Amino acid sequence: SYELTQPPSVSVSPGQTASITCSGDKLGDKYVCWYQQKPGQSPVLVIYEDRKRPSGIPERFSGSNSGNTATLTISGTQGMDEADYYCQAWDSSTVVFGGGTKLTVL
Amino acid sequence: QVQLQESGPGLVKPSQTLSLTCTVSGGSFSSGSYYWSWIRQPAGKGLEWIGRLYTSGSTNYNPSLKSRVTISLDTSKNQFSLKLTSVTAADTAVYYCARGGGDYPLTYWGQGTLVTVSS
Repeated sequence: SYELTQPPSVSVSPGQTASITCSGDKLGDKYVCWYQQKPGQSPVLVIYEDRKRPSGIPERFSGSNSGNTATLTISGTQGMDEADYYCQAWDSSTVVFGGGTKLTVL
Repeated sequence: QVQLQESGPGLVKPSQTLSLTCTVSGGSFSSGSYYWSWIRQPAGKGLEWIGRLYTSGSTNYNPSLKSRVTISLDTSKNQFSLKLTSVTAADTAVYYCARGGGDYPLTYWGQGTLVTVSS
């Protein structure tokens, strides 16, 4: 079965840039979505089709996908961005999620 | 604005069937062609996709759960449902319904409902 691998945790200082990676075999050939989940809340879509932002998502969120790695980048990270982030792709008629990355804003 | 709301028993006994319903408001199944998914999340763990349903009624399921899962549609009530048979403690999780799945992003999510499997 297809697997997506994320680092368990990433730390960033306020105002700096955070990068969260998601790795999978030939991931660049698939569309990747990213979801933000804060404690006790439902996930929220922040990036779809590798790099598109849904309405209402701040411009500081961006995405890329090439080769075997997709990356979610948060520029000028704010305290409100502290959350769990999940990547997601579609393979063999199955939705696959990465294991999630806890972003800490120190 | 599309809204989804999960409902169903919060406690299910081992070996029994877990049944949940997702009610969609702010839009209807007949007003567009969409995928509708169920996702679950055990406490402190990551997201696990259970399966999806297209408005035509066709389905796709997570291979690891396929033998126990059925997702169905009731367009007259703007609802879709999840049935998971032969549950064990490992099925204890928050269950979410969402619009999308597959190459279509999970754009709208319900608030989630906690289901505990215990005798």
